Parts: sequence; structure tokens; C-alpha cells
Amino acid sequence: DAGITQSPRHKVTETGTPVTLRCHQTENHRYMYWYRQDPGHGLRLIHYSYGVKDTDKGEVSDGYSVSRSKTEDFLLTLESATSSQTSVYFCAISESRRGVGNEQFFGPGTRLTVL
Amino acid sequence: DQQVKQNSPSLSVQEGRISILNCDYTNSMFDYFLWYKKYPAEGPTFLISISSIKDKNEDGRFTVFLNKSAKHLSLHIVPSQPGDSAVYFCAASGVGNFNKFYFGSGTKLNVKP
Repeated sequence: DAGITQSPRHKVTETGTPVTLRCHQTENHRYMYWYRQDPGHGLRLIHYSYGVKDTDKGEVSDGYSVSRSKTEDFLLTLESATSSQTSVYFCAISESRRGVGNEQFFGPGTRLTVL
Repeated sequence: DQQVKQNSPSLSVQEGRISILNCDYTNSMFDYFLWYKKYPAEGPTFLISISSIKDKNEDGRFTVFLNKSAKHLSLHIVPSQPGDSAVYFCAASGVGNFNKFYFGSGTKLNVKP
């Protein structure tokens, strides 16, 4: 199994509070992603990173920010959590192979509840 | 607007029979397609993929078919086993960035013993 951990695994917070989720990898993969999974929507990309300090927005980036100061860590921050951000969050990694498609490896997920 | 669609939220199949999961996409620039399997309380795991230069890829009981003209792919599982019961996501990449992936909403497969 790819070495990906997420912390915390579960969190309950209140509306308006800041929340940071952490993704840590031991695979030295270049690409890291944050997704949220909601019923009826599948997996939607929030942000992704293609290198240290290099990030880009995904489909549902509003209300979220990310940072990647080291290859192995990718942080997702909700500056002021809202109930609509209650979801399961997955981190994923992949390696870039020029000219060849590549799969992603996912972490175990973080269940976030915003009251 | 979803670029990858799985129109069947659920599918129920008898053990030993074939399971066929379908996926449609709208963007003709996608050139790599993947299927993931997800059990409850776990992250998705990669199952099988196919490049747009092929129309079929097989791996054991799993076969993915790609019909580029119809913008349609399907995953066949033969024979289906109870352990295959999970949510299956299809995903696509390309569009000038083969490291950015678009996922469907998933199909929950139930294989009955």
C-alpha cells in the first residue's frame, strides 16, 4: 500500500472556526490532491499540488486554501468552516510519468462535521 | 457541469454473473480513463485503466471497454463475487493535463450470494 496518512481521521467543529487537515506521504510522489466526497457527487477536486509551493485550484475550491512547504506534506485549510463543508475528505498522490497515464493512490479519509 | 457521469447509482447482481458498470464523458480531450473501487470507511483503490489508443484492457476478472465515438466506457466483472460489493468510480484525465482527474458520482455494486 502507498504510504499516505491523513490526520485527523475524524473531526467535529463549529461553524466559523478554522480547520486544518493534514496529508502526509512517504512515496516522494510529485502530485498531491485534496478531494471531497459527498452523496450524489462522487469525488470532487478541491485543490492539487504539482510540487513544493506549486498549487492549483480544482472544481470546488471556494472556502478552501492549501499549502505545500515540503514534498511529503499537503495541508488543507478551511479558514471559516461552514455546514456545507461537512464531508469526507480524501488526500491522493500520483507520480508524473511523461507520456503515460498514471493512477492515484488515496489516503483513508477524514470525516469532518461542521455543526 | 459534470464532465464524467455515472448514471446508475446502484446495481445488484447475482454471484457468478457478469456485472457491467457504465460511465459517460463529455470532453473529447480526455485520453486516459481509470476505474476505482471503494469500500466503506476506506479510500478508493485503483482497479484498472485504459488509454484512449486502446478499446479494451483486461486484468483477470476485470475488463474495461472504451468507445471513443460514443464517449462511453464500461467495466465488466466476470464472474462477480460478493467481495466485489463496493462503490465503483470512473475517472478521466487529459485535457492538456494528465495529472488532473475528473470523477463520476459512483455506482454502488451489490453482489448477492
